[in-house]
Amino acid sequence: KAGVTQTPRYLIKTRGQQVTLSCSPISGHRSVSWYQQTPGQGLQFLFEYFSETQRNKGNFPGRFSGRQFSNSRSEMNVSTLELGDSALYLCASSLDIGSGNTIYFGEGSWLTVV
Amino acid sequence: GENVEQHPSTLSVQEGDSAVIKCTYSDSASNYFPWYKQELGKRPQLIIDIRSNVGEKKDQRIAVTLNKTAKHFSLHITETQPEDSAVYFCAASVTNAGKSTFGDGTTLTVKP
Repeated sequence: KAGVTQTPRYLIKTRGQQVTLSCSPISGHRSVSWYQQTPGQGLQFLFEYFSETQRNKGNFPGRFSGRQFSNSRSEMNVSTLELGDSALYLCASSLDIGSGNTIYFGEGSWLTVV
Repeated sequence: GENVEQHPSTLSVQEGDSAVIKCTYSDSASNYFPWYKQELGKRPQLIIDIRSNVGEKKDQRIAVTLNKTAKHFSLHITETQPEDSAVYFCAASVTNAGKSTFGDGTTLTVKP
């Protein structure tokens, strides 16, 4: 079974631009969550989607948004990029929403803002 | 919301020694506690997890203990090997809330 797939793996953007990252969950998984990881930092929760609805949201500004499609694939968008947005963005999927569902991470998308 | 604190932030041990990483959580409703290992440049991967109806779980050289009363859980790695060197994250999730709250991670270095 294929794992969580994220595209693109690496990208460089200029301050003020916007970026869209894509995530394909494990087949059959309906919950997708996004995390930001910066060097030396932990995993900061961005948001979680289930059945095309945002179910949870972390403490990030409105420049960060996301969506989920009917096939459970998800995208996240960051508008008006800032230097501090440079990070590894990890997508994770789980079978269902709710405690006790193991989450599986993708390899991540490395975003560099210059 | 849930808050997870993880200690220590860095841990260096000699090969063959044991390593212990501790996490505390704030929400007594949390009932699922996974541990993830992230090797340099790779994705976090689940290594062991424990649910609140269990006090201890073991898988070969790794074990996790949970103290619900004190709201803390720990990862124990015995007979450490250089390949155990990685960043370890603990997490806690609240019943039906979905999202997992992660600790800040522990960088474990095992010296040969």
